[in-house]
Amino acid sequence: EVQLVESGGGLVQPGGSLRLSCAASGFTFSTYDMHWVRQATGKGLEWVAGVRTAGEANYPGSVKGRFTISRENAKNSLYLQMNSLRAGDTAVYYCVRWGYLSFLDVWGQGTTVTVSS
Amino acid sequence: NFMLTQPHSVSESPGKTVTISCTGSSGSIASNYVQWYQQRPGSAPTTVIYGDNQRPSGVPDRFSGSIDSSSNSASLTISGLKTEDEAHYYCQSYDSSNVVFGGGTKLTVL
Repeated sequence: EVQLVESGGGLVQPGGSLRLSCAASGFTFSTYDMHWVRQATGKGLEWVAGVRTAGEANYPGSVKGRFTISRENAKNSLYLQMNSLRAGDTAVYYCVRWGYLSFLDVWGQGTTVTVSS
Repeated sequence: NFMLTQPHSVSESPGKTVTISCTGSSGSIASNYVQWYQQRPGSAPTTVIYGDNQRPSGVPDRFSGSIDSSSNSASLTISGLKTEDEAHYYCQSYDSSNVVFGGGTKLTVL
């Protein structure tokens, strides 16, 4: 079964850091581009970061310089290092696969990040 | 920055047809594929349309997608509405290497 399982969410103070992990199974992880997408409570979907199979990363302006996406193909794992966290980063963070047909075809169940003092 | 704009909400009765629009802010929306995702409360999104007008396996043919270059917009049409179609729908495309989502449309079937 194709599956993505996120972990690492929690409560962190403003200005703090958190590292999210995503464990992939059921497919050849190294051959897929991967992304993180977040959703604040009652709000829409927001793309946070993407990494290609070769490791090239991309970010929107809202997180560029604060977040770093990385992957470890040998461990079938995706990561998101989040620094200088703000209240506005509070959201459910989804690990998502970019499928061969060029869409976000597999989503994890999400992990919740709360930035609050 | 490229943006996608959707109506905040739409509503229609069971059995009817509804269309949700997604308008690109600049350039040509036809330059990159548009996808549509359905999200029910408490669940992760699932794809109902990819590649502008393709349905993933398992998505009923009541769902269809189209592109209108003249209005720089994409549309999701759902025919024969069912109460189970009530959900949020998000369009998605890309700008350079960046993934872009529309703000989402809440579909109410009443």
